[in-house]
Amino acid sequence: AQSVTQLDSQVPVFEEAPVELRCNYSSSVSVYLFWYVQYPNQGLQLLLKYLSGSTLVKGINGFEAEFNKSQTSFHLRKPSVHISDTAEYFCAVTPRTGANNLFFGTGTRLTVIP
Amino acid sequence: EPEVTQTPSHQVTQMGQEVILRCVPISNHLYFYWYRQILGQKVEFLVSFYNNEISEKSEIFDDQFSVERPDGSNFTLKIRSTKLEDSAMYFCASSPRKVTGIYQPQHFGDGTRLSIL
Repeated sequence: AQSVTQLDSQVPVFEEAPVELRCNYSSSVSVYLFWYVQYPNQGLQLLLKYLSGSTLVKGINGFEAEFNKSQTSFHLRKPSVHISDTAEYFCAVTPRTGANNLFFGTGTRLTVIP
Repeated sequence: EPEVTQTPSHQVTQMGQEVILRCVPISNHLYFYWYRQILGQKVEFLVSFYNNEISEKSEIFDDQFSVERPDGSNFTLKIRSTKLEDSAMYFCASSPRKVTGIYQPQHFGDGTRLSIL
């Protein structure tokens, strides 16, 4: 079974400040890891993914995440946030084999303060 | 860029009524999914569908739910007798043919907000 924990339900941050959104997971099998973003009244947009190789992955809109196998974490970071980054961010995993169903965390609402 | 489209964007239904949520996946995709998100909660997997049959389903997907690909383009989720707790945002997703060793990401629609009165 898979589970994803996002420790922070809300993260307020000032514009141009750095941000880190935390994600930890547990799984009995190897997984792929993802971050999705959800803007108000919209669907889920893939920010970035970790499949294999380098543990530091870069995504769209200047976001990056680092996979840490020993700590079973996949934290999302951005060095300087913009107002437009205000959204809900979901960490997700899927087993490497099977139907690739996604298992999501509870989400973190990032609010960028001008 | 091709998109997954869902209709309607908002559906209001009386408790006990049947409801059908519609999705048009990206045209060359072969795997289809439904997820739901109850207000303020996480996105939860409901069901995956491939080759005209259910691949996997979660505990949420009980006998009240069914899925169908009636005409080769639409992918529908039916709830037979809706309950108040079915109120949620329902997301459809699709992904292309699997290639061994290469993950194919899921593309999501904008969702249908289902409100049960």
